[in-house]
Amino acid sequence: DVKVTQSSRYLVKRTGEKVFLECVQDMDHENMFWYRQDPGLGLRLIYFSYDVKMKEKGDIPEGYSVSREKKERFSLILESASTNQTSMYLCASSLFAENTEAFFGQGTRLTVV
Amino acid sequence: AQKITQTQPGMFVQEKEAVTLDCTYDTSDQSYGLFWYKQPSSGEMIFLIYQGSYDEQNATEGRYSLNFQKARKSANLVISASQLGDSAMYFCAMREGGGGYNKLIFGAGTRLAVHP
Repeated sequence: DVKVTQSSRYLVKRTGEKVFLECVQDMDHENMFWYRQDPGLGLRLIYFSYDVKMKEKGDIPEGYSVSREKKERFSLILESASTNQTSMYLCASSLFAENTEAFFGQGTRLTVV
Repeated sequence: AQKITQTQPGMFVQEKEAVTLDCTYDTSDQSYGLFWYKQPSSGEMIFLIYQGSYDEQNATEGRYSLNFQKARKSANLVISASQLGDSAMYFCAMREGGGGYNKLIFGAGTRLAVHP
């Protein structure tokens, strides 16, 4: 069974902290994605990666960075967490091929206080 | 710019009845793909169905079918014989750009409630 695993379901962090969200997939997928989900806005793409050490900005990259040192792992980094980054974060992976579905992790609900 | 619009924030349906969730899209690309995902209260996104822009037949997967009207730029999801377990958020998404990157843009979602 295919699997995308996010390291935490719930996180509470303080303003200004550096936050790491980890994602691991076991499907040997080339593409990995980080989305942010907010009510009424759907999912918005933060960053994606199509290969190890490769990364591309999505629609809302400000305040975030990513790291992909190994094919199976894609990390989202909040350099200095702010309250407006309180959200649900979803990691996904897919094959590098058009029109194949993306597989999602269970999501991390991050609260910044 | 590419865009997905879901105009129904919430819908309800009686168990065993059919329901249609609306999705319209905007793109200037000739080649694109449309996806529907289900998100139960547990949070994970579950892939339901896919339609390619060049597919002539409407996609079907079990109780799910996609009513694809290319000229109207709509890709509505039809769920037949609704079950209580269908209660969830439903997202329409479109592949953005080409080349295998599979970036998706999502609509705002529709919350479906199935009543017994």
